[in-house]
Amino acid sequence: DGGITQSPKYLFRKEGQNVTLSCEQNLNHDAMYWYRQDPGQGLRLIYYSQIVNDFQKGDIAEGYSVSREKKESFPLTVTSAQKNPTAFYLCASSNPRDRGGETQYFGPGTRLLVL
Amino acid sequence: DQQVKQNSPSLSVQEGRISILNCDYTNSMFDYFLWYKKYPAEGPTFLISISSIKDKNEDGRFTVFLNKSAKHLSLHIVPSQPGDSAVYFCAAPNPPPFGNEKLTFGTGTRLTIIP
Repeated sequence: DGGITQSPKYLFRKEGQNVTLSCEQNLNHDAMYWYRQDPGQGLRLIYYSQIVNDFQKGDIAEGYSVSREKKESFPLTVTSAQKNPTAFYLCASSNPRDRGGETQYFGPGTRLLVL
Repeated sequence: DQQVKQNSPSLSVQEGRISILNCDYTNSMFDYFLWYKKYPAEGPTFLISISSIKDKNEDGRFTVFLNKSAKHLSLHIVPSQPGDSAVYFCAAPNPPPFGNEKLTFGTGTRLTIIP
C-alpha cells in the first residue's frame, strides 16, 4: 500500500533534549512537508522540501531542523531551542508538478509531549 | 495575517440534514481551493477541491461552491451522517507566479452530527 508513515505515534521529551520525528513516504512524491497543529488552531508549516538535499523554512521554523537525504524520508528534529514543543506534528507529501499536484497527503501524525 | 479564514469554530447539525461549512479568503490571486477532513489524533484526508474557473464541484454527498467576487467558498454535505463528525479545513495553494507547493490552511471548523 502506498502512503505516508510517521513514527512514533507518541513521543515524550525531557527539558533540554532534542528529539527526532520520523516521516517516510512510498508515494514517489517530490515534495514533503512538516506541520504543527495546536488545539483550536489550523496547520502551521514548519519546513518543506521540494527535492532531495533541499529544504525551505516555513512560517514557524525556529527551534526545528530537518534533512532530506533521501526522497522517501524527511525527518524533523525538535531542538531544545523550541520552547513550546507540545503539539501534534503532521508530515505530508505531494507532487507539485503533477496535475492536481496541489493536493497534499498526510501521515497519521506524532503527538509530542514535554515531561 | 490570516489569508484563509474559517470564522465558525464549531457547527452542530442533525443527522440527515445539510451541513454547510464556510471559508473566506483575502488574497484574490488564490485560484484553487481544497477541503480536508480530520478526525482526532489522525492526519487530514483530502476531501474535495475546486478551481477558480468553476463555481461548483460535486462529489457524491459533498459539494463545494466558490463565489469569487465575495472571496468565499462553502462545503455542503447532504445528507449529513454521523461519520461526518470531524474537523474540516479549507486550504489554498500559493497563487501564480509562486509555486503551488505551499498550502495556507484555515483554522478549521468542528462539525458534530447529532443522531
